[in-house]
Amino acid sequence: DIQMTQSPSTLYASVGDGVAITCRASHSISNWLAWYQQKPGKAPKLLIYKASNLGSGVPSRFSGSGSGTEFTLTISSLQPDDFATYYCQQYNSYSFGQGTTVEIK
Amino acid sequence: EVYLEESGGGLVQPGGSLRLSCAASGFTFSNYWMHWVRQAPGKGLVWVSRINSDASGTSYADSVKGRFTISRDNAKNMLYLQLNSLRADDTAIYYCARERSFLEVTGLGHWGQGTLVTVSS
Repeated sequence: DIQMTQSPSTLYASVGDGVAITCRASHSISNWLAWYQQKPGKAPKLLIYKASNLGSGVPSRFSGSGSGTEFTLTISSLQPDDFATYYCQQYNSYSFGQGTTVEIK
Repeated sequence: EVYLEESGGGLVQPGGSLRLSCAASGFTFSNYWMHWVRQAPGKGLVWVSRINSDASGTSYADSVKGRFTISRDNAKNMLYLQLNSLRADDTAIYYCARERSFLEVTGLGHWGQGTLVTVSS
């Protein structure tokens, strides 16, 4: 099975900051990677698919990059609505990373 | 508008069974692969199972293989998850989710609000 490892587990930042979250796969997954945002008590929302494609209605401050085993989700300028938990998912065998929580510094 | 609504969760004793349902609307259900994903209280997302559009293929996480069964009824626009031999660590919110695209596998573009399964004596 493919294991997904996210870092950091928690990220402290301020409104306006640029932040990056990394996701590493235990085996190459080409660009078969998605990123999701989840807020407390809510279902996840798809942000990025195929590693770098923006989901429907997702603001352009979100971007994704990478291929093979290393991937990055970047938020160019954090907005108050962006404080949430983010997950990567590979869709070879569908496993998720453990999540990264973005909190207010 | 795509809408997914789960039901069937509740409190069940260890070793018991439960059947979850997901009612789909707003899209051509029979075209899309569907998934179940779960989330234990305060924990991360865990993929559970997937079924392809015509139910000819399924896959499961190792943790539920042999205990859970995914199925669908395309005539009724319904997705199901049969949970057997339940254990305390199956306690979670169970989400049904639809693939973003029917043309290729690209991630879970639509999610229901989830149904809570609690396994406890």
